[in-house]
Amino acid sequence: NAGVTQTPKFQVLKTGQSMTLQCAQDMNHEYMSWYRQDPGMGLRLIHYSVGAGITDQGEVPNGYNVSRSTTEDFPLRLLSAAPSQTSVYFCASSSTGFAYNEQFFGPGTRLTVL
Amino acid sequence: DAKTTQPNSMESNEEEPVHLPCNHSTISGTDYIHWYRQLPSQGPEYVIHGLTSNVNNRMASLAIAEDRKSSTLILHRATLRDAAVYYCILRDNTDKLIFGTGTRLQVFP
Repeated sequence: NAGVTQTPKFQVLKTGQSMTLQCAQDMNHEYMSWYRQDPGMGLRLIHYSVGAGITDQGEVPNGYNVSRSTTEDFPLRLLSAAPSQTSVYFCASSSTGFAYNEQFFGPGTRLTVL
Repeated sequence: DAKTTQPNSMESNEEEPVHLPCNHSTISGTDYIHWYRQLPSQGPEYVIHGLTSNVNNRMASLAIAEDRKSSTLILHRATLRDAAVYYCILRDNTDKLIFGTGTRLQVFP
């Protein structure tokens, strides 16, 4: 199993550009989520999904869109990038419904918005 | 979501035990205590979890106070590879993980 994969690893955007960060998992996990991590900070939840067709907002959803058309994929879209979105983005997945489930994290995408 | 409080940083020498504390005085009866760690330039990784009883696995041990208002992650023999930020997280019956700022552990040779 590849686990949780994220692409790209690095990305530089100009203000106002759009892009999609990709996240995929091959563990048949229902739950997937996106976090951002700013320098010296903990991770903050952006959006999450408990299954295909179901998404919800986390702590910091503004400026980001998500969709979940398949169990495997959970892309994160930035419609109009802003310098405040410069951060490292992590995707995570787990089985759902039990508070003791382990979550698996991807390696992250480092995004810089100029 | 119930909150956790951890020291910002701790230090240890290699091959010594490390006790990382976490306070969670507002924990509810169904909250699980989870620990994750984040090595430099990597995503977080699961370490251990528990509900009421102390737990051991190949990575660490988790000691939970009888009143569950605090817990301690124990690394029995710290190695240089254990240098990371350690997060103590309470999980309720949703799937969301809410991270605090964690404890940065430095390990010296």
